[in-house]
Amino acid sequence: QKEVEQNSGPLSVPEGAIASLNCTYSDRVSQSFFWYRQYSGKSPELIMSIYSNGDKEDGRFTAQLNKASQYVSLLIRDSQPSDSATYLCAVNLENTGFQKLVFGTGTRLLVSP
Amino acid sequence: EPEVTQTPSHQVTQMGQEVILRCVPISNHLYFYWYRQILGQKVEFLVSFYNNEISEKSEIFDDQFSVERPDGSNFTLKIRSTKLEDSAMYFCASNGRVSADTQYFGPGTRLTVL
Repeated sequence: QKEVEQNSGPLSVPEGAIASLNCTYSDRVSQSFFWYRQYSGKSPELIMSIYSNGDKEDGRFTAQLNKASQYVSLLIRDSQPSDSATYLCAVNLENTGFQKLVFGTGTRLLVSP
Repeated sequence: EPEVTQTPSHQVTQMGQEVILRCVPISNHLYFYWYRQILGQKVEFLVSFYNNEISEKSEIFDDQFSVERPDGSNFTLKIRSTKLEDSAMYFCASNGRVSADTQYFGPGTRLTVL
């Protein structure tokens, strides 16, 4: 069973702080990794994608990937109350050449004003 | 900005009835997917579709489920005989010419089976 694990939270941070979200995955052949944000009752919205080891920055967001440790994280700098949502880690299993995203259960982030 | 659309936004049906959920993927995308999310649970892969055929399906996607691309724009998910446990949000997703591209999700259809 190929799994993606996340702490369900909630992770509570004050406005302006850095929020750190973590994810581990079990399948070593995974090639691409995604962070989606999901507001309650809404669909997943892409935040970041990352394909190679290291850091990738986009505005206030930084994704970090360590394939040896099978670990991917998302840092949100200068957290805002509007960042309060569930953050889903998704891993793409590309064994067949086609995508099959496996999602974690998500980490609920609460940013207090 | 192009987006995936889904209809209806909410479907209520009686157990045993057939439902068809509709999706219009982003126009130049070639890979299409259905996922579902039972309330309070994780998003689960159902099926992927490329070149007018299923490329992969999960164990959830049994004989009660089928997908179709009836024309150049729509992508449908049919559940032949709904069960109570089919109640969930169903998300359609698509991605572009390269299979490793990011998947973009539609707003979802909330299916309620009574």
